[in-house]
Amino acid sequence: SYELTQPLSVSVALGQTATITCGGNNIGGKNVHWYQQKPGQAPVLVIYRDSNRPSGIPERFSGSNSGNTATLTISRAQAGDEADYYCQVWDSSTVVFGGGTKLTVL
Amino acid sequence: EVQLVESGGALVQPGRSLRLSCTASGFTFSDYAMSWVRQAPGKGLEWVGFIRSKAYGGTTEYAASVKGRFTLSRDDSKSIAYLQMNSLKTEDTAVYYCARAPRGYSGYEFDYWGQGTLVTVSS
Repeated sequence: SYELTQPLSVSVALGQTATITCGGNNIGGKNVHWYQQKPGQAPVLVIYRDSNRPSGIPERFSGSNSGNTATLTISRAQAGDEADYYCQVWDSSTVVFGGGTKLTVL
Repeated sequence: EVQLVESGGALVQPGRSLRLSCTASGFTFSDYAMSWVRQAPGKGLEWVGFIRSKAYGGTTEYAASVKGRFTLSRDDSKSIAYLQMNSLKTEDTAVYYCARAPRGYSGYEFDYWGQGTLVTVSS
């Protein structure tokens, strides 16, 4: 079965750029979606189909996907960005989530 | 405004059954595929299953961990998606979320999520 690998945690200084990776075999050939989840809340879609932002998501959130790695980039990180982030793809007829990355804003 | 509201979560004994509901509003429910995703306490997101819109056969897909025990269905006249869970195990304990896909078929993201309902399987 297809697997997605994310770092358990990423730290970023306030106002700096955070990068969260999602690794998978030839993931560049798939559409990758990213979700943000804050404690006690439902996930929120922040990037869809590699690099598209839903309405209401700040331009500070961006995504890319190539080769074996997809990347979520958060520019000018704010305290409110502190959350768990999950990548997601479809593999054949099943949905796969990455294990999640806890983003800490210092 | 799109809204998804899950209900039906409860404390249930191992081996018993439970049915969850996801009531949708703010969009034409019949046009969209729906999915269920769960999250065990302190763990990550785990996909449970997916149901396409009737225009695409209303067919379903399941995670290996629940296949044969869980069944997804939908009542488009009521704008409700259901998750029937049979032969429940302690490892099914989780918050269960329903989520909408932006199309009637698979391959897309989940653009709206409900707030979740807690299922606890314990004797």
